[in-house]
Amino acid sequence: DTAVSQTPKYLVTQMGNDKSIKCEQNLGHDTMYWYKQDSKKFLKIMFSYNNKELIINETVPNRFSPKSPDKAHLNLHINSLELGDSAVYFCASSHRRGANTGELFFGEGSRLTVL
Amino acid sequence: DQQVKQNSPSLSVQEGRISILNCDYTNSMFDYFLWYKKYPAEGPTFLISISSIKDKNEDGRFTVFLNKSAKHLSLHIVPSQPGDSAVYFCAAKGAGGTSYGKLTFGQGTILTVHP
Repeated sequence: DTAVSQTPKYLVTQMGNDKSIKCEQNLGHDTMYWYKQDSKKFLKIMFSYNNKELIINETVPNRFSPKSPDKAHLNLHINSLELGDSAVYFCASSHRRGANTGELFFGEGSRLTVL
Repeated sequence: DQQVKQNSPSLSVQEGRISILNCDYTNSMFDYFLWYKKYPAEGPTFLISISSIKDKNEDGRFTVFLNKSAKHLSLHIVPSQPGDSAVYFCAAKGAGGTSYGKLTFGQGTILTVHP
């Protein structure tokens, strides 16, 4: 039983396409996140949702649109993919105390390659 | 400007010896510092954390030290084991409501423990 699961794990697509990455957590957490690990290996936050409400929205192109249908799911949709979007995208979740202390539970990551 | 830096890309240690991983930060507005461990093809997993009001936290073989005046933290692993071989990420959580769950990560240090 994977606590935070992401699909797909690998995604190869052409520039200009639209793609989605799905994330689900079965930990009962109320906060979920998307982080991006770029080519320099830095993990950077993109979005955070608490009980389906957007609470963190970093400087991310508006081609990236998160959607949280319920507090167990946070999906990431990317329009008009560009070469620079190639990265590993990590979904994470936390309970309220974990969000206060920084203890997050990460999924395995989704490697996106844009050709 | 990267606010959390791990200046050593890699570290190699003999089994049974001490591993010391270092991390520097530039922002004083962090209230928690954390270490995450990452195996290949997996997401980061939380290892240990320390509040900014403390200078040491110990959990089994893992100890984190915080030197606020130097804006430096370190992770000590004693004794090191081959299973500790992984990428270690230092992370810092911003204080304040808008930083709820927002972590700033270093670029990681690859630890290799040789039998």
